Amino acid sequence: GAVVSQHPSWVICKSGTSVKIECRSLDFQATTMFWYRQFPKQSLMLMATSNEGSKATYEQGVEKDKFLINHASLTLSTLTVTSAHPEDSSFYICSASPTSTEQFFGPGTRLTVL
Amino acid sequence: QKEVEQDPGPLSVPEGAIVSLNCTYSNSAFQYFMWYRQYSRKGPELLMYTYSSGNKEDGRFTAQVDKSSKYISLFIRDSQPSDSATYLCAMAYAGKSTFGDGTTLTVKP
Repeated sequence: GAVVSQHPSWVICKSGTSVKIECRSLDFQATTMFWYRQFPKQSLMLMATSNEGSKATYEQGVEKDKFLINHASLTLSTLTVTSAHPEDSSFYICSASPTSTEQFFGPGTRLTVL
Repeated sequence: QKEVEQDPGPLSVPEGAIVSLNCTYSNSAFQYFMWYRQYSRKGPELLMYTYSSGNKEDGRFTAQVDKSSKYISLFIRDSQPSDSATYLCAMAYAGKSTFGDGTTLTVKP
């Protein structure tokens, strides 16, 4: 149990385009979902926390207009990177939590912006 | 000072060795303590989840929490090459988790 999927697993896009990443909890309802980015050989950096039906809470330094998060249901959250630039290239990982403490992570999405 | 400090590693051990991974923390509000394993280019996988001080065992893995010293450990017995990964400690309270920077472990056959 406690499976989280992410789609796509990797994406390559041109600078200036927008990319949407989906995160789904497959066998449980997630009261909270989290979005992280991770640079090579570095730890997870929390970008935002979202609860179903309410606006996401962004961490300091994360542009909410650039990283749009929608938590449409208890099993689905999406992250849209708008007007992507090469510096946005990273590994984006979502996690879902049924209890707001333990988190179950998706497999990650590798974004490369050319 | 970071809220969570994790021994940086990297750590390299022979197959069969006992591995000790450690984290310290400064925020006494942390109530939940987790260990995650992350293979290269994959999302972290929850290994252990504890709430109170003491030991919790799951197969070859033992998580130890000492709240009085603000210190947690993960022990891996009879380590295997498949245990080679980055291990992240995490601590949570009020619905928010704080992660350590990770320790990369290599188990050599």
